[in-house]
Amino acid sequence: AQKVTQAQTEISVVEKEDVTLDCVYETRDTTYYLFWYKQPPSGELVFLIRRNSFDEQNEISGRYSWNFQKSTSSFNFTITASQVVDSAVYFCALVEGGSQGNLIFGKGTKLSVKP
Amino acid sequence: DGGITQSPKYLFRKEGQNVTLSCEQNLNHDAMYWYRQDPGQGLRLIYYSQIVNDFQKGDIAEGYSVSREKKESFPLTVTSAQKNPTAFYLCASSNYRGLDEQYFGPGTRLTVT
Repeated sequence: AQKVTQAQTEISVVEKEDVTLDCVYETRDTTYYLFWYKQPPSGELVFLIRRNSFDEQNEISGRYSWNFQKSTSSFNFTITASQVVDSAVYFCALVEGGSQGNLIFGKGTKLSVKP
Repeated sequence: DGGITQSPKYLFRKEGQNVTLSCEQNLNHDAMYWYRQDPGQGLRLIYYSQIVNDFQKGDIAEGYSVSREKKESFPLTVTSAQKNPTAFYLCASSNYRGLDEQYFGPGTRLTVT
């Protein structure tokens, strides 16, 4: 069965600290896609990244970076030099290639960045 | 601007009443989705549609109904049969069966008393 686990319910850091949000997934499919979304207090989910199961290259986008490791079924997200505006709930999600787009979400990690 | 609109932002209803949540997209996406979010929880799929006049049940479809008469629109009706309708409802659309990224609307917060 497919499942996404975000073990960290809440994380609190001080501005400029680096922070890593963990994501562990389970799937039997060999083709799948992983996503990270940000949900600020306004409620709308904002897409951050999509990764397919055949591309294990790490990705960096400004202060954001993602580490995808199939060996440990993990897709972790690191924010470098965090800022107050990074405060949000972050969701990791999985969709299997054979599905019809049924995104399976983790329960989210609430990140609070304090000035 | 291209995007997804949901209205209203906040909705209040009395128990026993059906209520319809609106979702419109102008991204020309084929696929549309409805999710429910409860406090401290991830999103759970209610219904999805890959094409006009066709839709499928998600994980928690009981007590909900949808229609897809136009590509741009995917309204969700929360019926009186839904036991715990109070929640945050998010609509999304995507380009290809949901394997591309899904884009989300701003959500509707429904409160039933």
